[in-house]
Amino acid sequence: DTEVTQTPKHLVMGMTNKKSLKCEQHMGHRAMYWYKQKAKKPPELMFVYSYEKLSINESVPSRFSPECPNSSLLNLHLHALQPEDSALYLCASSQALVRDRGSYEQYFGPGTRLTVT
Amino acid sequence: SQQGEEDPQALSIQEGENATMNCSYKTSINNLQWYRQNSGRGLVHLILIRSNEREKHSGRLRVTLDTSKKSSSLLITASRAADTASYFCATVSSGTYKYIFGTGTRLKVLA
Repeated sequence: DTEVTQTPKHLVMGMTNKKSLKCEQHMGHRAMYWYKQKAKKPPELMFVYSYEKLSINESVPSRFSPECPNSSLLNLHLHALQPEDSALYLCASSQALVRDRGSYEQYFGPGTRLTVT
Repeated sequence: SQQGEEDPQALSIQEGENATMNCSYKTSINNLQWYRQNSGRGLVHLILIRSNEREKHSGRLRVTLDTSKKSSSLLITASRAADTASYFCATVSSGTYKYIFGTGTRLKVLA
């Protein structure tokens, strides 16, 4: 199974709501990622988890809160978002993080289209 | 700032023609990867080329890497309508874990 799943596919939320995005993979990958992608732009890295520990936080505002409850699951908790946070949120996984000997290909989920009203 | 800049930003060709897109980057890298993204969907990994490789083939794809010029190109031969998508290069700078994606090339293949 080489699939990364994301739920929900679409999410509309108000600025005072709290919601969560979910990502799951069953490939035994030990690195998982959250990206944000605006229309016609490349994905921008938000967070990286390695062995369920947060390795990279790209100075993301605290209204985005990641969580990795186990090696297969990655959540992104959303609270008090702004309209400019509307975007496609992509989850990805890779076999591991390898810093000096290269890196692995990433497997992406289909994304959650988030609209903040 | 963006690690990779791609050109052209958009490319429109007829089915059966070849498509070439280029990626430039700024720092030393361990490898460079190319991904495809169909409209509004997740990215799909196409090919990875290591810093000590100069050329790599996978089916109708040919990737070159010139580390002295900090650039890479992706050639898609005999294009098909199904190749219509955005194509991104991605690099991981030496000594980091971070994937940085290029600005992307939007390819349209006309049937």
